[in-house]
Amino acid sequence: QKEVEQDPGPLSVPEGAIVSLNCTYSNSAFQYFMWYRQYSRKGPELLMYTYSSGNKEDGRFTAQVDKSSKYISLFIRDSQPSDSATYLCAMSAGGSNYKLTFGKGTLLTVNP
Amino acid sequence: SAVISQKPSRDICQRGTSLTIQCQVDSQVTMMFWYRQQPGQSLTLIATANQGSEATYESGFVIDKFPISRPNLTFSTLTVSNMSPEDSSIYLCSVRGIAGGRGTDTQYFGPGTRLTVL
Repeated sequence: QKEVEQDPGPLSVPEGAIVSLNCTYSNSAFQYFMWYRQYSRKGPELLMYTYSSGNKEDGRFTAQVDKSSKYISLFIRDSQPSDSATYLCAMSAGGSNYKLTFGKGTLLTVNP
Repeated sequence: SAVISQKPSRDICQRGTSLTIQCQVDSQVTMMFWYRQQPGQSLTLIATANQGSEATYESGFVIDKFPISRPNLTFSTLTVSNMSPEDSSIYLCSVRGIAGGRGTDTQYFGPGTRLTVL
């Protein structure tokens, strides 16, 4: 079993839809959770950063962490064509163990 | 957050040659990393570039194949040596510990270098 599992998609939705992207993980030591957005031919861009369990909202984006289920989600409300990108989840145990473990990424297309 | 640049942005190389990729950050950072991103695969950490000392390599990556330098707190290079088609990938520089960053454990990425080996 991989440490981080992420459905690669592709996921295609109409403009205005609510998008749900998910990752599961097996390492209970993970405490820091991140979502990166990567446009084609660009480097990953940090989108959301959360620590431990709970929700965090930033504009149209909400990151959710459920450590008891080892499950994290990213919700995008009112999706726009400009949201079309690959979304990568990443996580780390923190402290001296700074290494990030990534999911494979989910390719999202928002159709106008 | 800091501005991270990489050179070259892309290159096409012949088998058996070497390519050096540069990463420049516009502010001092605590840590610098090199990743590889292959199609359909997770971002994979190659090594941590240590300032003034040898890089720390992850399992499956060796210094002879991927020599790394980090002469100061804003600059690092990764060399892909004796290349084969299997080295075709995107190589990404990443940094951690930026003043004003969103969290001590967050990493920020450069734009990447797209390498094709023929």
